[in-house]
Amino acid sequence: KQEVTQIPAALSVPEGENLVLNCSFTDSAIYNLQWFRQDPGKGLTSLLLIQSSQREQTSGRLNASLDKSSGRSTLYIAASQPGDSATYLCAVRPGGTSYGKLTFGQGTILTVHP
Amino acid sequence: NAGVTQTPKFQVLKTGQSMTLQCAQDMNHNSMYWYRQDPGMGLRLIYYSASEGTTDKGEVPNGYNVSRLNKREFSLRLESAAPSQTSVYFCASREYNSPLHFGNGTRLTVT
Repeated sequence: KQEVTQIPAALSVPEGENLVLNCSFTDSAIYNLQWFRQDPGKGLTSLLLIQSSQREQTSGRLNASLDKSSGRSTLYIAASQPGDSATYLCAVRPGGTSYGKLTFGQGTILTVHP
Repeated sequence: NAGVTQTPKFQVLKTGQSMTLQCAQDMNHNSMYWYRQDPGMGLRLIYYSASEGTTDKGEVPNGYNVSRLNKREFSLRLESAAPSQTSVYFCASREYNSPLHFGNGTRLTVT
């Protein structure tokens, strides 16, 4: 059974810092990996989707990398801002005929203070 | 573009009551999903519909039923609500190999 772990569980940083969020998964036979952010009381917003054949994806100040063989992904946030404060979740889609059933990590709660 | 719309946003039920959570997407996605989110448990898949006309069980289907009414709509029904079903329910949709899009959730309390 696929298990997804996110470290750290919570992170508090001053504005302007570059930071890294970690996601690890136990079964490397994945189809893709997706990073989301969730604001309090809201749904999940997709940030980046990395296919299993890709090494990284970038969107603005966000960069996500994938090392499938070691079962790891990182989300790098450059020059963090208070508006980045949210819970960040990663989710993996297994290979095969999984119809996109994702396994989610527990999330990292990020607080960026001014 | 509304994306994924869920109704209602909040609901309080008494044990044994029934209700249906509604979900509609306007992105012409084939696949739709129902998740529940609980503290310490993360997001867990209840049911999904890979395409119009098909539904299948996820990780925690007991106590729930679903209907894929058409390509746009996917409803989740609680026939006899229990306190253990107190949770936040999310509907999501996606097209093949594309990102998963979520609604804003329904916060359900069963007393």
